[in-house]
Amino acid sequence: ETGVTQTPRHLVMGMTNKKSLKCEQHLGHNAMYWYKQSAKKPLELMFVYNFKEQTENNSVPSRFSPECPNSSHLFLHLHTLQPEDSALYLCASSQDPIRGVHEPGANVLTFGAGSRLTVL
Amino acid sequence: GIQVEQSPPDLILQEGANSTLRCNFSDSVNNLQWFHQNPWGQLINLFYIPSGTKQNGRLSATTVATERYSLLYISSSQTTDSGVYFCAVVGVTTDSWGKLQFGAGTQVVVTP
Repeated sequence: ETGVTQTPRHLVMGMTNKKSLKCEQHLGHNAMYWYKQSAKKPLELMFVYNFKEQTENNSVPSRFSPECPNSSHLFLHLHTLQPEDSALYLCASSQDPIRGVHEPGANVLTFGAGSRLTVL
Repeated sequence: GIQVEQSPPDLILQEGANSTLRCNFSDSVNNLQWFHQNPWGQLINLFYIPSGTKQNGRLSATTVATERYSLLYISSSQTTDSGVYFCAVVGVTTDSWGKLQFGAGTQVVVTP
């Protein structure tokens, strides 16, 4: 148990479904991240939230919609996905990525176990 | 953006063997982390090591920031060391802040 919890662990959905992935951290961190891990590809940063504000959207298609209601919770809303969106979606948190520029360790990431998504 | 290259891509070890994994990066960094991903997908942070050397049990890591590389050493490998090892960095430019860029990983298989 890393202190970052993702649900559900597995999700199968059709292309017309709407579903959401949830991430919760109990580490007192201020930043949360969504990463996508596809087979045979490096982890891709999707979104970054720092103090509930979105600071990064890495050209992610609008069928992925993030929501960060507070520093402890992060959602990824899924709508009209394609089969190529099937992947492992990883949530992570860190103390403060901006302060981490000057303070060692403030941007050390802790990951959840991931949500494995299959789009049929 | 900053490029991260890891080598070798795959490594098969017999239990008890030692090995070295390498991470090269294309620009100056102020943050470098090594992760282990187990076969079930869980990523665990092994080291935060933007420079210098650290040791944790049978694992150690060295980053030579001026030469833009980092090494991860596994000694006396065990089957539980199997998985994928990732190197990830944050560049020093302002557009890189907070963005941990991952390499493609080294797949390690330790056989009994």
